[in-house]
Amino acid sequence: EVQLVESGGGLVQPGGSLRLSCAASGFSFSTYAMHWVRQAPGRGLEYVSGINIYGASTYYANSVKGRFTISRDNSKNTLYLQMGSLRPEDMAVYYCATYNWNDRYFEYWGQGTLVTVSS
Amino acid sequence: SYELTQPPSVSVSPGQTASITCSGDKLGDKYASWYQQKPGQSPVVVIYQDTKRPSGIPERFSGSNSGNTATLTISGTQAMDEADYYCQTWDSSTAVFGGGTKLTVL
Repeated sequence: EVQLVESGGGLVQPGGSLRLSCAASGFSFSTYAMHWVRQAPGRGLEYVSGINIYGASTYYANSVKGRFTISRDNSKNTLYLQMGSLRPEDMAVYYCATYNWNDRYFEYWGQGTLVTVSS
Repeated sequence: SYELTQPPSVSVSPGQTASITCSGDKLGDKYASWYQQKPGQSPVVVIYQDTKRPSGIPERFSGSNSGNTATLTISGTQAMDEADYYCQTWDSSTAVFGGGTKLTVL
């Protein structure tokens, strides 16, 4: 069974930092591109960042570029999102998701972890 | 930046056909996917590559994409289909989601 379990969310002050993790199991993690998608309370889905299978190519939404860094450790089957200079508008549930490259869709999603940015 | 536009809400009676549109510049030249999200749950793909259904998705879900508009059609809508629906495509190596459409079955 495919499982994606996000962790690391919580309350952080504006300007602070946080690192999210996504532990993967039940599939060959090293063969999937991985992505982060977020959803602010009561709002829609917003793409955050993506990384290829080797970690050599990374992609960011303009809203987080320069503040967030995506990475992965294929030996630990884990995806990360280092978030810095956090703003109130970054408050959201952050989902990690696998990307099915052949069929071109986000195939598996975690349950999400909530990041709250508030003083 | 690329934008996808969806109607905020669509209402349909049980058993009728619901259509949800997604508009974007030359969207028909790209692949569109559709995701269903029920309250408190993670999104689930219902249509990918414009028209394809993943295994486990009922046949009443179908999609099309041409020109500037992609459309998700739910035939014989059931109460269980009440959810938020998001279209999605890619632009410059980043994913783009539509704003979402709340489908109400009443």
